[in-house]
Amino acid sequence: AQKVTQAQTEISVVEKEDVTLDCVYETRDTTYYLFWYKQPPSGELVFLIRRNSFDEQNEISGRYSWNFQKSTSSFNFTITASQVVDSAVYFCALSEGLIQGAQKLVFGQGTRLTINP
Amino acid sequence: GAVVSQHPSWVICKSGTSVKIECRSLDFQATTMFWYRQFPKQSLMLMATSNEGSKATYEQGVEKDKFLINHASLTLSTLTVTSAHPEDSSFYICSARDRQGPNTEAFFGQGTRLTVV
Repeated sequence: AQKVTQAQTEISVVEKEDVTLDCVYETRDTTYYLFWYKQPPSGELVFLIRRNSFDEQNEISGRYSWNFQKSTSSFNFTITASQVVDSAVYFCALSEGLIQGAQKLVFGQGTRLTINP
Repeated sequence: GAVVSQHPSWVICKSGTSVKIECRSLDFQATTMFWYRQFPKQSLMLMATSNEGSKATYEQGVEKDKFLINHASLTLSTLTVTSAHPEDSSFYICSARDRQGPNTEAFFGQGTRLTVV
């Protein structure tokens, strides 16, 4: 069965600090996709990144970076030089299968990130 | 990216009444849409998979007679919460995949916040 665990329920840091959000997943499939979404107070889900199981290359996008480690089944997300606007709930998600692709997502519990001025 | 629109964004209804939520793909066709529910400060849980022209597939524990799903066209799926009760108060969000797009993208609507009083 699929499972996504975000052990950090809440994180609070001061602006400009770096922060890493952890994500550990479980799946029996060899083909799967991992995602990160941001959910601001308004509720909509903002897509941040998608990574397939065959691509372990880490990615950097501005202040955001992601570390995918298949050996530890982790897909961690780091925000560098955090800003108040980064405050939100962040979800890690998993979908399985080459055919299903990104259709059905299993979400982690979410991490509420608060960036204090 | 593709746009998925949900309507209404929020709704307040009396206990015992029914509420219909619409999910539309605005610039693409979606043979499959997904409905998720998110209780306050919790994660998103898949409720059902909506298939155009056929019956929806419900996740375990979701009452199909209470949450009616209709996917009458390639651009519209509706979720009707029948005989709503306060415990149905939640954030409902849909996602859709472009049938002609890569099998790696699922686009989310902005969500509907339902409050049953």
